[in-house]
Order: sequence, then C-alpha cells, then structure tokens
Amino acid sequence: DTGVSQNPRHKITKRGQNVTFRCDPISEHNRLYWYRQTLGQGPEFLTYFQNEAQLEKSRLLSDRFSAERPKGSFSTLEIQRTEQGDSAMYLCASSFRDRGREYFGPGTRLTVT
Amino acid sequence: DAKTTQPPSMDCAEGRAANLPCNHSTISGNEYVYWYRQIHSQGPQYIIHGLKNNETNEMASLIITEDRKSSTLILPHATLRDTAVYYCIVGAISGGSNYKLTFGKGTLLTVNP
Repeated sequence: DTGVSQNPRHKITKRGQNVTFRCDPISEHNRLYWYRQTLGQGPEFLTYFQNEAQLEKSRLLSDRFSAERPKGSFSTLEIQRTEQGDSAMYLCASSFRDRGREYFGPGTRLTVT
Repeated sequence: DAKTTQPPSMDCAEGRAANLPCNHSTISGNEYVYWYRQIHSQGPQYIIHGLKNNETNEMASLIITEDRKSSTLILPHATLRDTAVYYCIVGAISGGSNYKLTFGKGTLLTVNP
C-alpha cells in the first residue's frame, strides 16, 4: 500500500535561503492539498490542486511561497527567502472522490536558523 | 475560525472506552462531521465522518445528536497506541465551493496503562 510520501522529511536551512519540498500523492488521487502546522496548533490549509490546476490559495501563502503540480501527479512547494517564522511542519494530503477524506503524508519538518 | 469546540485534553484507561465530545452548534444542514487524529510526529489520519446518522467502522463509532449540534467519537477499547490529538471538523462535501479541512487545536487523548 503506497501512501502519500513527502521528501525530504527534515530540512534545516539558513534564513534567506530557498527550499523546495516534494509530495507524491496516492496515484489515483486527483486532489492534492498542502498544509502547514506549527507546534501546538492544528494543520492550517495553504493551497489545493485538482489535477494540475491550483484552485485555491490561503492568505497564509505569501508571495514567497509557490506550489506547482505540473502533470497532475507530484507537487512541489517552494519557499523563497526563508524566514524564521517559516519553521513548521509542512503536510501534504491527497484525496479522490471523497472530499473531506484526505490521506496525509508524514510531513516535512522545516527549521530555519 | 474553527467551527467546533473540543476539550483540550482527556485521559482514558487502557481497555476502557474513550468518549471524545465535540460541540458544533453552528453546523449547517449540508455539513458533515469529520474526525481525524494525529499521533505524535505523524500526519493526521482520517477516522470517520457522518451527516446525521450514527456511524461505525473498524476504528470508532460516531454519535451525532438529533439536533446535530454536538457529537461524540467513541473508541470502544482504547489502547496505548490511541494516544493522539483528535480533531473534530465540520464541512461540506458537496457543492460548487472547493472543500478544505479546517482544523482546530483538537483534544489530546492520553491512554494510560
């Protein structure tokens, strides 16, 4: 059973550097979501793709953040000019027919020093 | 803003039933109740969802009050591995709007030996 995978699992970077995370959803899932989670909080929605189309972006997704899903399969989330406030767990999830029933990956933990 | 209210923490003895409450007094007629849980350092995991009827699956039971303003997630025989943060989420599956999960802070359930 291949679930949602995310790479890398951990990333430490210096402030001002760019980072890119990858998410591979479950193969038949056409919807893909990115969330961010900080310590003690629930995950916060960032953006959502249906196939290759990015259909919604949260206000949390500043212009330093960009997400792509070029062929409707894997997705990347890039953060440019990282700031210490970007330190968080970045979670990816995918779903098929059942909106609301999402399958989450293990997350990428970003630490900005 | 999260549409649900949950206690921040609960304890349960191993082998006993864990009953996790959730208030959602502003729920709309087309909104479902979803439950997810998040074990430490993992991504959230879907548990169950329902509209107005009680639901049961291999993981848990969901009891929704007749007025739909509150619900209870029941883990019938809690084990140490059920220690996690449990999130109650309300939202609509159908309709033209893009659906996304809005997590609150959830309830930290600690199962004690």
